[in-house]
Amino acid sequence: KAGVTQTPRYLIKTRGQQVTLSCSPISGHRSVSWYQQTPGQGLQFLFEYFSETQRNKGNFPGRFSGRQFSNSRSEMNVSTLELGDSALYLCASSVRDNEQFFGPGTRLTVL
Amino acid sequence: GEDVEQSLFLSVREGDSSVINCTYTDSSSTYLYWYKQEPGAGLQLLTYIFSNMDMKQDQRLTVLLNKKDKHLSLRIADTQTGDSAIYFCAVPFSGGYNKLIFGAGTRLAVHP
Repeated sequence: KAGVTQTPRYLIKTRGQQVTLSCSPISGHRSVSWYQQTPGQGLQFLFEYFSETQRNKGNFPGRFSGRQFSNSRSEMNVSTLELGDSALYLCASSVRDNEQFFGPGTRLTVL
Repeated sequence: GEDVEQSLFLSVREGDSSVINCTYTDSSSTYLYWYKQEPGAGLQLLTYIFSNMDMKQDQRLTVLLNKKDKHLSLRIADTQTGDSAIYFCAVPFSGGYNKLIFGAGTRLAVHP
């Protein structure tokens, strides 16, 4: 069974731009969660989607948004990029509310 | 709010056992997790323990849970150079389904 895939793997943007990241969960998994990983703040939860509905949200500004499609694929969007948004963005999927399997991440650099 | 703490570094000799410790604040967590991250990679789920267990063994990995002290540990037997990575303890946020709170990660360095 294929693992969680994330595209693109690397991205370079400039301040003020917006970006969309994509995540395809493991087949059969209906929950997709997003995390931001930075050297300073570590791993922080962004939001979780289950059956196309946002079920949980972390403490991030409204510039960070997401959605989930009927096939469970998810996208997250960051608008008006800031330098501090440079991070590794990780997506995780799960079939039950316990094991979460992570993708390789998207490395976003904001210049 | 929920907090998870880990020591930042651990250095061991190849063949020795490694013990990585973690403390957490929320006692309502049902599962507690250990993830491994190698350079440039995502997180790999190593193992997890249900909160009504004291110990779980999985090949070279042993997880110990002390609920009274809110202390979780991961023991790696016969540590190899391939075990060099960052290890994260993760606890579900109270009532938060798949919302995990991570520790800062322990960097394990294995030397010959």
